[in-house]
Amino acid sequence: KAGVTQTPRYLIKTRGQQVTLSCSPISGHRSVSWYQQTPGQGLQFLFEYFSETQRNKGNFPGRFSGRQFSNSRSEMNVSTLELGDSALYLCASSFRLPGHLGETQYFGPGTRLLVL
Amino acid sequence: EDQVTQSPEALRLQEGESSSLNCSYTVSGLRGLFWYRQDPGKGPEFLFTLYSAGEEKEKERLKATLTKKESFLHITAPKPEDSATYLCAVQVRIQGAQKLVFGQGTRLTINP
Repeated sequence: KAGVTQTPRYLIKTRGQQVTLSCSPISGHRSVSWYQQTPGQGLQFLFEYFSETQRNKGNFPGRFSGRQFSNSRSEMNVSTLELGDSALYLCASSFRLPGHLGETQYFGPGTRLLVL
Repeated sequence: EDQVTQSPEALRLQEGESSSLNCSYTVSGLRGLFWYRQDPGKGPEFLFTLYSAGEEKEKERLKATLTKKESFLHITAPKPEDSATYLCAVQVRIQGAQKLVFGQGTRLTINP
C-alpha cells in the first residue's frame, strides 16, 4: 500500500507570495493532519481534517488555511508569506475517527518551503 | 499546558554501546504515546505506540517502555544505521479532535 505523498517536495517563494501544498493520504485513511517543523520550534500542529471538515486548529495565524476534498486528499495554503514561514511542512494521515484511543498517524516526506 | 520534554538533546554512542532516551510529559487526557524516527530531510517514521503505564514494545534493537509520567526508548547494541532523530509524541484529545504534541527530539549518532 502506498504511503502518504506530498507535492511539491521543494518550493522557493518570495515574501508576500502565497503557496499551496498538497497531500494524498494512505488509501482508506480519512483523517489528515498538517504540521510545521522548524529547527527552533520542532514539530507544531497546524490543523486536522476529517470527512472534509476541519476538526482542530493549532496556534497559527489566519494566513494558514487548509481544506480536504471528498477523496480525503488535502491542501494547505499560506498567504502573504513571511521569512519565518520557511520550514518543512508535514502531512500525516490516520485511518480511524479522530480521538480514537491511540490512533496512529503516518507521515509523508514533507514539503520543504524556503521563503526569500 | 500540554508539554513533552525529551532528553538528552543529542547523544553520541559507539557501535554496540547501549543507552536510553527519555521522554517526560505533562498532559491532560493522554490517549497514547508514540515514538517516531526521523532521518534528515524525511518525514517521521512510526516506531511504537504505548497506551498505558507498564506497557512495553520491542522492535529489533529498540524497546519502548511507559510509566505514568515518562517513556524510555532503550537501544541495545546500536549500529550506525540507527543514527537518526528520535521523536516522542503524546496524543491528546481536544474538543472531539486529536492532536499530537511532540517533544524536540533526541539526535542520536552511532559511531562505527
